[in-house]
Amino acid sequence: GQNIDQPTEMTATEGAIVQINCTYQTSGFNGLLWYQQHAGEAPTFLSYNVLDGLEEKGRFSSFLSRSKGYSYLLLKELQMKDSASYLCAVRDLASGGSYIPTFGRGTSLIVHP
Amino acid sequence: DGGITQSPKYLFRKEGQNVTLSCEQNLNHDAMYWYRQDPGQGLRLIYYSQIVNDFQKGDIAEGYSVSREKKESFPLTVTSAQKNPTAFYLCASNRDGAYEQYFGPGTRLTVT
Repeated sequence: GQNIDQPTEMTATEGAIVQINCTYQTSGFNGLLWYQQHAGEAPTFLSYNVLDGLEEKGRFSSFLSRSKGYSYLLLKELQMKDSASYLCAVRDLASGGSYIPTFGRGTSLIVHP
Repeated sequence: DGGITQSPKYLFRKEGQNVTLSCEQNLNHDAMYWYRQDPGQGLRLIYYSQIVNDFQKGDIAEGYSVSREKKESFPLTVTSAQKNPTAFYLCASNRDGAYEQYFGPGTRLTVT
């Protein structure tokens, strides 16, 4: 199984930059995903990293270090609408032979004016 | 438009009753999943199916059952054996081998 750890809550100011960390332990790693989830809604896909390094997509970037079991999601130029929960998920090999994502508890980000 | 539908959005049941949550997708995806989410928690996997007529237990399958008779449909039954059924239930799907999952809007089940 996996052990995925991310902070429970973070706060930041509109226009600022925030980094949400995720650490994990797994045996059959096949990629790490980040999702955004607004309250009461379904998660929406943000990013996927399978190799070490930084993936940039607009205001959002995601970094992965496989040797350290570490990832972060970087949000720039924060907007009020970025207030949401951010879920880190790790793809691992399940007993049936498929790669199945396991989700962390999520980080609730509060952006204030 | 292609997507995943879950109905109803809100569902109320009395304790001791079985209830079935629907999940339909027209994305032609092979894999489908059911997750449970409790307040302030991440998603926990209940069951998943990689192909029609086959499914696997996730981390918290006790008290739940599923079927996969059609590629498009993956209904979840919450049985009376589930001790704490009140939760937000999310269905997801993806193409075979793809990493990105697409989620339905969810069903919030309340059992009293």
